[in-house]
Parts: sequence; structure tokens; C-alpha cells
Amino acid sequence: DAGITQSPRHKVTETGTPVTLRCHQTENHRYMYWYRQDPGHGLRLIHYSYGVKDTDKGEVSDGYSVSRSKTEDFLLTLESATSSQTSVYFCAISGTSGRADEQYFGPGTRLTVT
Amino acid sequence: AQSVAQPEDQVNVAEGNPLTVKCTYSVSGNPYLFWYVQYPNRGLQFLLKYITGDNLVKGSYGFEAEFNKSQTSFHLKKPSALVSDSALYFCAVRDPNEGSYIPTFGRGTSLIVHP
Repeated sequence: DAGITQSPRHKVTETGTPVTLRCHQTENHRYMYWYRQDPGHGLRLIHYSYGVKDTDKGEVSDGYSVSRSKTEDFLLTLESATSSQTSVYFCAISGTSGRADEQYFGPGTRLTVT
Repeated sequence: AQSVAQPEDQVNVAEGNPLTVKCTYSVSGNPYLFWYVQYPNRGLQFLLKYITGDNLVKGSYGFEAEFNKSQTSFHLKKPSALVSDSALYFCAVRDPNEGSYIPTFGRGTSLIVHP
């Protein structure tokens, strides 16, 4: 999976608890992304980062925050998890040679909020 | 704004037959187009992309895609399907005129290849 790891791979949590998902890359790529995948919706962008401490919102950012203090790590936090955030979360990276870069995806984190 | 559509939720094909997975797009200028494949319980994997040049693009695992500007399409094709090709396929588009590195993904098409 192109030097991308996600942790944890599976998590079950209760409504109202905070949750942090981690994405780690060894490719030194500039761009990192968090998506969620739900049946019938495909992939939806939550947040993305274009450099250390540089982040921006995607189309479904409500209820999520992100941080990127190092090139290799991109954290996604659910401040107070809700059942609607039950999903599979994917991290992706892309390079710096231009806008034509394809994305490389991590293995995913399956999150269940009870 | 950029957008992409995959008109079929599911495509069924017999092993050995040719397959086509459809994708249409909308951008203001010339698009960057991508295909990805997702096997069960895995992340998406890049298959191929069209940036410029030859309208027929060849990618991994024997797949190819044809860019058709007049029909705003980028259909994924393979001459002879394998059972192992069964997976979820995503088309994505990026509009370089928007100055963004963010692609828009289609909802995905499930390809089922029957033995």
C-alpha cells in the first residue's frame, strides 16, 4: 500500500467519546487526505493537507478535525463520535510533481460508533 | 465545478468476455482522469490515468481506458475478463483549471465476473 499505514485498523467506540485515527507515510509526499467510504456514497473527502500545519476542509468536514505536525503523520479526530460517523476511513497521499499525480491509499480503518 | 458519474452500480460479465465500466465527467477545460480499483477489505489502488496525448491509455492488470472528449467519457475496458477482476471500480476527475489537487470520485461500479 505504497508506504502508508493507518492505525487502528478497527475500532468500536461509544457515542460521545473522542476518537483519533492516525495515518503515517514513508513516501515524503506533500499532500495527504482523509476520506470516508459509505455504501451509496462512494468516497467523500473529509479534510486534506498540503503541507505541515497546512490543512483545509473537504465536503464532509463537520464533526471532524485534523492535524499535521510532521510530514509523515496526518491525524483525524472525531471530537465527540456519533453513530453517523460509523464508516470506513481511508487515508491517501499524492506527490509533488504536479496536479497530474495519482493518489495512493492506505488499508483503511473500520470505525463503529455504538 | 468538476464532477464525475458512473451510471452503473453493477456490471456483470462472463469470464473471457470483454468488459466495459463506464465513466462520464464534467469540467470546464481539459480533464485529468483516473481509474482506481478496490478489492474487498483493501484500500483503493491506482490503475491508470489520462493527462494528455493518446486517447487510449494502458494501465495495470491488462486494463485500458479510452478518453473521448466529444462524449466526455473515460470508459474502462479489458479485452478478456478474469474472475479475479471482480472488485469495485472508481473513476475520478481533476480539473487543472481549478488549481486544485483534489479529485472528485464517482460512486463506484461493482464488477462481477462469473466463471
